[in-house]
Amino acid sequence: DTGVSQDPRHKITKRGQNVTFRCDPISEHNRLYWYRQTLGQGPEFLTYFQNEAQLEKSRLLSDRFSAERPKGSFSTLEIQRTEQGDSAMYLCASSLVQGAETQYFGPGTRLLVL
Amino acid sequence: AQSVTQPDIHITVSEGASLELRCNYSYGATPYLFWYVQSPGQGLQLLLKYFSGDTLVQGIKGFEAEFKRSQSSFNLRKPSVHWSDAAEYFCAVALLNTGFQKLVFGTGTRLLVSP
Repeated sequence: DTGVSQDPRHKITKRGQNVTFRCDPISEHNRLYWYRQTLGQGPEFLTYFQNEAQLEKSRLLSDRFSAERPKGSFSTLEIQRTEQGDSAMYLCASSLVQGAETQYFGPGTRLLVL
Repeated sequence: AQSVTQPDIHITVSEGASLELRCNYSYGATPYLFWYVQSPGQGLQLLLKYFSGDTLVQGIKGFEAEFKRSQSSFNLRKPSVHWSDAAEYFCAVALLNTGFQKLVFGTGTRLLVSP
């Protein structure tokens, strides 16, 4: 059973560029979460999907952020017109809703905006 | 508002010594509680979790944690630390009143292991 994978692992971009990250959850996991972690902080919830439906978005997710999970499997997180404040680790987690839920995290994508 | 407090930013422990990392939470109901570990530049690995039942839970790598409702605490312990345990440790509480499991994390405790 493979774990959650994320691609790319690292991304350096210039301010104003668009970036897209991909997350592949554990197969058959029906929930997928995105978190953001800045230096010295714990992860903060951004959004989550139940199958292909995006059901909750944090106020941290500005209009420049969009997430999709088109077929209920992998997910993408796009940031448009990146700003230096977007520099962070973006973590994806997946879970199977079966009674009590446990989220399993991927290795993260570290974004640096210059 | 719901919150998780990890009062120790850094802890240094000698290899072979015991370890206790503190975690306090603020939440109106009995929460689901988790401890995750993060090595530098890596994602989070689940160490253990508490949902209900026995308040002393065992996890991977020899870790255990005890849920104390009266103290709103979920401290992580290990009887003998190994050099490979050096990492950052995060306590998290799952908010269940929103229909999904939103995790709220503490700010983490960085564990340093001295020879």
